[in-house]
Amino acid sequence: ETGVTQTPRHLVMGMTNKKSLKCEQHLGHNAMYWYKQSAKKPLELMFVYSLEERVENNSVPSRFSPECPNSSHLFLHLHTLQPEGAALYLCASSQERSSGGSYEQYFGPGTRLTVT
Amino acid sequence: AQKVTQAQTEISVVEKEDVTLDCVYETRDTTYYLFWYKQPPSGELVFLIRRNSFDEQNEISGRYSWNFQKSTSSFNFTITASQVVDSAVYFCALSDLGNYGQNFVFGPGTRLSVLP
Repeated sequence: ETGVTQTPRHLVMGMTNKKSLKCEQHLGHNAMYWYKQSAKKPLELMFVYSLEERVENNSVPSRFSPECPNSSHLFLHLHTLQPEGAALYLCASSQERSSGGSYEQYFGPGTRLTVT
Repeated sequence: AQKVTQAQTEISVVEKEDVTLDCVYETRDTTYYLFWYKQPPSGELVFLIRRNSFDEQNEISGRYSWNFQKSTSSFNFTITASQVVDSAVYFCALSDLGNYGQNFVFGPGTRLSVLP
């Protein structure tokens, strides 16, 4: 596998279900990100992990719960989602610079989530 | 705080026309990176280019060219002789020296439709 992979590519869940999205990066990067992209809306940054520590949480509801067990893997656990949770969830990774800032982010193909 | 503006929400052109996508950014740092991404209908964001704030040389890659002007804080993207396959949403992004996870920001995107 190369680049950033995400599974599953498509997911349908009921509002009372619990599901998890998985992301894996094969680029040796030290930062990983979750973004949400709803129809015709800008990219919304949800969570950032740098060196496996969460460094950003943009006021995301607790029904979205991230997990970063190591620098290559990132999960997004979902439970009791509302219909507005339907979106394309994109994972990305990048190499943070020791002097500050970040090189380009590389994205996975996304998981398209439908909430029934 | 940093900010990226893409004033053009949607652009439609006819195949073979040239088209320029505008990007204006704000940052207080003197060291930063600028990026362009392409998001085709499949959904995956594809990295196109990274530009260092100290390098104002314009860049050309095939039909793509980028014009970086620090004086106007702009980093515009031109597609020459557009093709239907260029239809996508294009995002401009900025990375500066902010704290980890807070230093990468995307613009709202410009949807380009190239008509046959």
